[in-house]
Amino acid sequence: RKEVEQDPGPFNVPEGATVAFNCTYSNSASQSFFWYRQDCRKEPKLLMSVYSSGNEDGRFTAQLNRASQYISLLIRDSKLSDSATYLCVVLSGAGNMLTFGGGTRLMVKP
Amino acid sequence: EAQVTQNPRYLITVTGKKLTVTCSQNMNHEYMSWYRQDPGLGLRQIYYSMNVEVTDKGDVPEGYKVSRKEKRNFPLILESPSPNQTSLYFCASWSQGANVLTFGAGSRLTVL
Repeated sequence: RKEVEQDPGPFNVPEGATVAFNCTYSNSASQSFFWYRQDCRKEPKLLMSVYSSGNEDGRFTAQLNRASQYISLLIRDSKLSDSATYLCVVLSGAGNMLTFGGGTRLMVKP
Repeated sequence: EAQVTQNPRYLITVTGKKLTVTCSQNMNHEYMSWYRQDPGLGLRQIYYSMNVEVTDKGDVPEGYKVSRKEKRNFPLILESPSPNQTSLYFCASWSQGANVLTFGAGSRLTVL
């Protein structure tokens, strides 16, 4: 089992739709969680950190479920510009190991 | 501007010709890391460094070397490149205090 797993997609949704991605992690001692966005052939960029209480940034909402060991990203009112790959990143261990999920590809269509 | 700078951004080379991809960050980050990204395989860690003179293997270190003689620089060395090292490479740095991983713009390497 991979340490951090994501559904690779692609998720094909129409503009204005609400879409949600999940990311599961295997290390119960994981400390911090992040969502990154990566456009084709560009570097990943931080979208948002994921806090225990959940957090929202405009149309984006991130949730953490420690009991079930997953994090989620909800995108409301999808825009064409949201089309990208979304990477889940988990920080674990005393050595501060960062582990990436394989990414979920989102395609928003007109 | 806070950034991670990689060079070269694009390189075509031939099998066996040693090359170095440089990475430099201006944020005084302790942690630096190299990743390669291939279609269908996601980001895979090659090597990482927790601080100066401290380096460790990641998931796919074979065929690569690194060094961390200064805090700001973390070069990736391919002593004898092979075609299976054709990939998109990213350098990244991280500060535990800032809790943000910052990536360079990527280096696309082709080995013929």
